[in-house]
Amino acid sequence: DAKTTQPNSMESNEEEPVHLPCNHSTISGTDYIHWYRQLPSQGPEYVIHGLTSNVNNRMASLAIAEDRKSSTLILHRATLRDAAVYYCILYQGGSEKLVFGKGMKLTVNP
Amino acid sequence: GAVVSQHPSRVICKSGTSVKIECRSLDFQATTMFWYRQFPKQSLMLMATSNEGSKATYEQGVEKDKFLINHASLTLSTLTVTSAHPEDSSFYICSASAKRTSTDTQYFGPGTRLTVL
Repeated sequence: DAKTTQPNSMESNEEEPVHLPCNHSTISGTDYIHWYRQLPSQGPEYVIHGLTSNVNNRMASLAIAEDRKSSTLILHRATLRDAAVYYCILYQGGSEKLVFGKGMKLTVNP
Repeated sequence: GAVVSQHPSRVICKSGTSVKIECRSLDFQATTMFWYRQFPKQSLMLMATSNEGSKATYEQGVEKDKFLINHASLTLSTLTVTSAHPEDSSFYICSASAKRTSTDTQYFGPGTRLTVL
């Protein structure tokens, strides 16, 4: 399974932007970059995904390096509800399995 | 957005009993459903993958006779933990995929907290 590397944790301040990095140097051409997050005692929640181009949705933006070996999830204005464990996952979609790493714990300070 | 539900959200049972957990896709047909287990302060670990109408595929180390999975319809999958023991206490989470395109995401249920006394 292709692997990703994330920091163990990050801290941010409320209402400030936060950039969550992810390295995936062994990414293949068919791997999509998916981000999920998990709040305490809840199931994971889909955040965003992309292949080559940067992506934006109502939750976040995803910036993908030109060589695709790294990506950054951008929360434009962090809120206390964004405090969660964020998982960066390489995924081929559909019936393929998601392989969760340790993820990165984001703490948002008021 | 796609919604996946799980029932029950929390269950406490005695050692040796069996527990059934339901996973439903409420607003889409799930061709594939996945079952995960998560121990405290750890990441999710995939237990098995099930496709509607066929036998589940279990990950290495997961006992198929202990964790019975049934995916009888495109909106319902069940996980039965048979003869549960305290070490089976965990957070069980299902997810569903519609596989309309190769980029389809998985949508997760809220999880079921199982405590075996």
